[in-house]
Amino acid sequence: EFVLTQSPATLSLSPGEGATLSCRASQSVSSYLAWYQQKPGQAPRLLIYDASNRATGIPARFSGSGSGTDFTLTISSLEPEDFAVYYCQQRSNWAPWTFGQGTKVEIK
Amino acid sequence: EVLLVESGGDLVQPGGSLRLSCATSGFTFTSYAMSWVRQAPGKGLEWVSGLSGSGGTTYYADSVRGRFTISRDNSKNTLYLQLNSLRAEDTAVYFCAKGGGFDTYYFDYWGQGSLVTVSS
Repeated sequence: EFVLTQSPATLSLSPGEGATLSCRASQSVSSYLAWYQQKPGQAPRLLIYDASNRATGIPARFSGSGSGTDFTLTISSLEPEDFAVYYCQQRSNWAPWTFGQGTKVEIK
Repeated sequence: EVLLVESGGDLVQPGGSLRLSCATSGFTFTSYAMSWVRQAPGKGLEWVSGLSGSGGTTYYADSVRGRFTISRDNSKNTLYLQLNSLRAEDTAVYFCAKGGGFDTYYFDYWGQGSLVTVSS
């Protein structure tokens, strides 16, 4: 089973600042990594798929990079609505398709 | 507009059974994989089960294999999850999620979730 480790657990930032979130896989997942945003009481929302492709309707301030075992989600300038929990998820060739434990981006 | 609407969540005793449904619309149901993802109270996301667009290939997390069964009725555009031998640790909000392709498991649309509580 692929284990995804996200860091940091919590990121305290101010609106307008940039955010860099990390996701490390226990073994290579090629480029098969997605990022999701989840706000309290809501379903997750797909941001990025296959490491660097923005999903439909996702603002350009969100970008993803990486391959193999190391991946990054970058938010170039935080908007008030971006404060949420972010999860990475791998979709390698074999189930189970696992999620990271999440990074909470909170207002400083 | 893509819509996923779950139903069937309830309070059930340990050892009991439940069936969740996910009614879908707004896309060609048979062309996309579907999955169930759960979230225990205050915890992260856990993928539970998935199946391909045709329903011919099914996948399960080790934590539910042998107890849960995923299925789809392509004539009704509906996804199901049969939950048997329920345990307290199965307590969670269960989301249905649409895959990115026929047998592709990132999730581009999600339902609002259905709460399953396992308690005596």
